[in-house]
Amino acid sequence: DTAVSQTPKYLVTQMGNDKSIKCEQNLGHDTMYWYKQDSKKFLKIMFSYNNKELIINETVPNRFSPKSPDKAHLNLHINSLELGDSAVYFCASSRGTSGRGYEQFFGPGTRLTVL
Amino acid sequence: GENVEQHPSTLSVQEGDSAVIKCTYSDSASNYFPWYKQELGKGPQLIIDIRSNVGEKKDQRIAVTLNKTAKHFSLHITETQPEDSAVYFCAARVALSNFGNEKLTFGTGTRLTIIP
Repeated sequence: DTAVSQTPKYLVTQMGNDKSIKCEQNLGHDTMYWYKQDSKKFLKIMFSYNNKELIINETVPNRFSPKSPDKAHLNLHINSLELGDSAVYFCASSRGTSGRGYEQFFGPGTRLTVL
Repeated sequence: GENVEQHPSTLSVQEGDSAVIKCTYSDSASNYFPWYKQELGKGPQLIIDIRSNVGEKKDQRIAVTLNKTAKHFSLHITETQPEDSAVYFCAARVALSNFGNEKLTFGTGTRLTIIP
């Protein structure tokens, strides 16, 4: 059983396009996250949602818009894709906010390549 | 904000030897320090964590030590095996007064290679 799943696993697209990445968790967690991992493996949080409410937005361009239709889903929509958006995007979830030290479970990642 | 530095960036050890990865953090308000292991093509997975009220924690071949005064913490892997080869990340969490804005800040990662 997959705990945190993401689709698609690979995404190749042209500059200027709009694309979405979907994330679902079946762990019953309240909090979900989006992270970006660049080519040097640096892992940085982008957004955090708790019970469908945005609680962390880390200086991410407005072209990135997360949407949480329910507690089990957190999607990421990216407008006007740029070369610098190429990275691996990870979704994660935890039982509470990371402030309570709850373990974060990561999805397998979506490798986005912008040409 | 919090800044986490991690060293070394790459580490190669003979199978059976020990591996040590070190991290320092900047914010004395940090109180939770997890370590994640990321295998090729997969997402990071928590392997051990430590809270600021504890100086050391051990789980089989893995141990973590924390020095709050010096603001550094380390991961120790003993009797290394080929399956320990992966990228390891340390992280630190600052407990803020405005609940809900706490987050993990990750180190830059260490690529560990176990030589058979």
